[in-house]
Amino acid sequence: NAGVTQTPKFQVLKTGQSMTLQCAQDMNHNSMYWYRQDPGMGLRLIYYSASEGTTDKGEVPNGYNVSRLNKREFSLRLESAAPSQTSVYFCASRGDSGRSSYEQYFGPGTRLTVT
Amino acid sequence: DQQVKQNSPSLSVQEGRISILNCDYTNSMFDYFLWYKKYPAEGPTFLISISSIKDKNEDGRFTVFLNKSAKHLSLHIVPSQPGDSAVYFCAASPLGSGGYNKLIFGAGTRLAVHP
Repeated sequence: NAGVTQTPKFQVLKTGQSMTLQCAQDMNHNSMYWYRQDPGMGLRLIYYSASEGTTDKGEVPNGYNVSRLNKREFSLRLESAAPSQTSVYFCASRGDSGRSSYEQYFGPGTRLTVT
Repeated sequence: DQQVKQNSPSLSVQEGRISILNCDYTNSMFDYFLWYKKYPAEGPTFLISISSIKDKNEDGRFTVFLNKSAKHLSLHIVPSQPGDSAVYFCAASPLGSGGYNKLIFGAGTRLAVHP
């Protein structure tokens, strides 16, 4: 089991460029999440998806769009990157029962730098 | 306004001693609390959790204590080992988060366990 995978691992963009961060999970989880991690800020929720076909805004959604392509995949798109979006991005998924009903499983992260 | 606060950015402990990581929350409407551990260049991994109806949960060397009247959570690691050196995040799940079990994270505490 690969768990949660993210691509790419690293990316450098110029201001105004666009890109899509990919995330996939193989645990048959319904819920998926995108977070960003900034120094001194912990992890902040950008968007989440409770099931295939549904997405909702989190705490910091501005400047981002998401697509829940199918049950496995949840992508995050930056249409016009800004330096303020320099961060480490984590994707996570969550099961629906037992201990895992609260526990989220995280991918290894994508380190994005916008110059 | 941060609802989950980890006021100590770092903690240094000698191997074999107890590590105590603290977390305060400002909102009474959380029903579940989790601790995550993060190594550099990796995603956070679940460590231990506690329901708001309990005051203690133990798993091997790790114990989490919940003091609801003080809105305070602590993680005890006994005995501390060099492999415990990582960033520890406290997270809380808001009541009524629509079953999506969104998590609100603290800023993290970097634990260094030295020989």
